[in-house]
Amino acid sequence: EVQLVESGGGLVQPGGSLRLSCAASGFRFSDYSMNWVRQAPGKGLEWVAYIRSDMTHYADSVKGRFTISRDNAWNSLFLQMISLTAEDTAVYYCAKEGGFHKGSVFDIWGQGTVVTVSS
Amino acid sequence: DIQMTQSPSTLSASVGDRVTITCRASQSINSWLAWYQQKPGKAPKLLIYKASSLESGVPSRFSGSGSGTEFTLTISSLQPDDFATYYCQQYNSFWAFGPGTTVDIK
Repeated sequence: EVQLVESGGGLVQPGGSLRLSCAASGFRFSDYSMNWVRQAPGKGLEWVAYIRSDMTHYADSVKGRFTISRDNAWNSLFLQMISLTAEDTAVYYCAKEGGFHKGSVFDIWGQGTVVTVSS
Repeated sequence: DIQMTQSPSTLSASVGDRVTITCRASQSINSWLAWYQQKPGKAPKLLIYKASSLESGVPSRFSGSGSGTEFTLTISSLQPDDFATYYCQQYNSFWAFGPGTTVDIK
């Protein structure tokens, strides 16, 4: 079964840091681009970051503060977040790219991990 | 950046109704448009990719159409499991989601 499981969320003070992880299973992780998407409470979906091999892209709202990385040997995706503000409070999802046939849609999503930035 | 809009923002419907949701892009995205369904407390689920291709396992009552800047998602006969929020997403240039359309019970 193809599965993504996020972890690492929690309560952090403004200005603090947090590192999210996403464990992948059931597919050849190294063959696919991966993404992070977030959803603030009661709001819509916001793409956050993308990684394919050594290529990364970021939403303007997180550029310079968030770093996406991956470890293909451990089938894992990461999101290092620094200088957090209340506006970063959200459920963070990791999402797998659909691949060549589907294009860069997000066909598999994790269950999400909650990040709360508050003093 | 490409901006996505959806209409309506909320739609009240009954089981068996035909439902149509519209998504517009601020510039042409060819057919690089996806639709997702999200239920409260759950992750989004891919329904449609490349504007009109049905994701494996998704019921055939869901269909998508359009190209360029205007797209539609149609549910031919609304079922109880379909009450949810629906998001469109462009993936022509990076990624951007529409604001969502909530389908609730009339």
